[in-house]
Amino acid sequence: SAVISQKPSRDICQRGTSLTIQCQVDSQVTMMFWYRQQPGQSLTLIATANQGSEATYESGFVIDKFPISRPNLTFSTLTVSNMSPEDSSIYLCSASSGTAYGYTFGSGTRLTVV
Amino acid sequence: GQQVMQIPQYQHVQEGEDFTTYCNSSTTLSNIQWYKQRPGGHPVFLIQLVKSGEVKKQKRLTFQFGEAKKNSSLHITATQTTDVGTYFCAGLPNNAGNMLTFGGGTRLMVKP
Repeated sequence: SAVISQKPSRDICQRGTSLTIQCQVDSQVTMMFWYRQQPGQSLTLIATANQGSEATYESGFVIDKFPISRPNLTFSTLTVSNMSPEDSSIYLCSASSGTAYGYTFGSGTRLTVV
Repeated sequence: GQQVMQIPQYQHVQEGEDFTTYCNSSTTLSNIQWYKQRPGGHPVFLIQLVKSGEVKKQKRLTFQFGEAKKNSSLHITATQTTDVGTYFCAGLPNNAGNMLTFGGGTRLMVKP
């Protein structure tokens, strides 16, 4: 299965600033996704990162707040913009090569906004 | 929209006891996947079930997919401290492309 390198692993940011999280997959994958996970909670899908086109966002998430890029089949970024303490969470990217395969997750980015 | 409910939310067991977590979907699923997340770690794919009534085993873990393809279970026989973590089911609806819906997870704690 694919291996995902996600960075940074953690960061402490000032409110009002932006942070870009990167995910690099070691092989080409069909699908890439971005999730948010509060400690002790389940995973909430933010968006599907589409290669060469705009991401598809879930209800409650908007492009201005969470711009996503996916320039090719192995790389994606998520930016958390104009951060507030409510954005403090763990952000995870994941990748899949199709419905016959499980998702592979990056190691996560633990974001704290102060 | 689709909902995936998972129970129990937490389970404490003595090492050697069995453990089961249950997953129920509000809609029929194309397949269901199970993941394990160790404390401080990220979710790791365990298995995928596709067929109605399917049963799969991985050593002490037994996974079942219901006949109606709306529910699933994970049973661990004779738990060990290495089983500690949160177990998530994730359902893929019949008509939702590749987007999984994750259950709330069951956090398993094992007392040695």
